[in-house]
Amino acid sequence: TQLLEQSPQFLSIQEGENLTVYCNSSSVFSSLQWYRQEPGEGPVLLVTVVTGGEVKKLKRLTFQFGDARKDSSLHITAAQPGDTGLYLCAGATQGAQKLVFGQGTRLTINP
Amino acid sequence: GAVVSQHPSRVICKSGTSVKIECRSLDFQATTMFWYRQFPKQSLMLMATSNEGSKATYEQGVEKDKFLINHASLTLSTLTVTSAHPEDSSFYICSAQTGYDYEQYFGPGTRLTVT
Repeated sequence: TQLLEQSPQFLSIQEGENLTVYCNSSSVFSSLQWYRQEPGEGPVLLVTVVTGGEVKKLKRLTFQFGDARKDSSLHITAAQPGDTGLYLCAGATQGAQKLVFGQGTRLTINP
Repeated sequence: GAVVSQHPSRVICKSGTSVKIECRSLDFQATTMFWYRQFPKQSLMLMATSNEGSKATYEQGVEKDKFLINHASLTLSTLTVTSAHPEDSSFYICSAQTGYDYEQYFGPGTRLTVT
């Protein structure tokens, strides 16, 4: 069974602080996606990483794919209340249609 | 691009009745769609994979006779919850796969409440 361990599961910090969310697995993924979900809505795709060691930036968000393509991280700089939400990582293995989802990180940014 | 719609967004039904939820890819063709269930404060739980023109593949523990899935076209998949019971109350989300790096685009979800 392929698992994606996401940590932390809950994080509450003050506006302006930095944070990192981790996604780890013993499995190799051909690609990994990060999603953000707000209450009562579906997840929204933030980024897809496909190459080991790849780094992608989306404004204050930095995504990294591990060299071995088994792990990924999401770093948010100077967090804002609008960043509040559930962050999900999801990995795709070669030849498999479905994604393996992490447990999610519920992030709260306090003004 | 890559917009997925879901209808209805909320539905309340009586125990024993059936409810149909539609999932549409609006600006692309999706050979594969997925149906998820999400419990409060939890991650997504995959229920089934739906391929256009073929039978859906259900995850272990998901009753295929209770959760009927039809994927009749490249832009539409439906999930019918048959003989719904209160324990079926949940947030149901569909997604459509573009085929590029296995990216999935999600619908806005359907909140089902069975009374």
